[in-house]
Amino acid sequence: ETGVTQSPTHLIKTRGQQVTLRCSSQSGHNTVSWYQQALGQGPQFIFQYYREEENGRGNFPPRFSGLQFPNYSSELNVNALELDDSALYLCASSSLKNTEAFFGQGTRLTVV
Amino acid sequence: DAKTTQPTSMDCAEGRAANLPCNHSTISGNEYVYWYRQIHSQGPQYIIHGLKNNETNEMASLIITEDRKSSTLILPHATLRDTAVYYCIVIRLIAGGTSYGKLTFGQGTILTVHP
Repeated sequence: ETGVTQSPTHLIKTRGQQVTLRCSSQSGHNTVSWYQQALGQGPQFIFQYYREEENGRGNFPPRFSGLQFPNYSSELNVNALELDDSALYLCASSSLKNTEAFFGQGTRLTVV
Repeated sequence: DAKTTQPTSMDCAEGRAANLPCNHSTISGNEYVYWYRQIHSQGPQYIIHGLKNNETNEMASLIITEDRKSSTLILPHATLRDTAVYYCIVIRLIAGGTSYGKLTFGQGTILTVHP
């Protein structure tokens, strides 16, 4: 149990729709990172938020966006969904006091 | 961050030691070696990390060669629950601690522990 919770656990969306995924960080963690994991692949870094500001981004288009709130919870938004966006989306929280990232169980997104 | 190379898959008998190698020949002096694992349908889980000295915790041991170009993760007494994908990741830690969450995952090693 990492203390990082994600919601929902599963959802199905239609191509072209928009989706919002949510992550509640471990208490005291001011950094949240989001990852996309396609089937059979390792997780790919999407972006990171630190103190409510984006702090680094991977090779993902602008239709992937995020927010971090004052309580350090976070959202990942994906617009204009494509079939290839079907994946497990993971969030991870971390802080200066720890030397590791704590991952949630992920949200399984299926785009049809 | 330095690139890592790991075998695609490995097998291990239950109760025996599992030794998972990782090559990181381009590692820089200020880069750490981290290991995470991912059990099926779960989020990755931190195992251990080190800079140049060997490290041990309740989960595993990490052996880093003197030239730091490779390392081995050792699970001393593998159980069926250790069946997972194991990722070796090199991280350059920066001030502020935000680098702990910026991880570059490769394909990892699929470890299968047999009864």
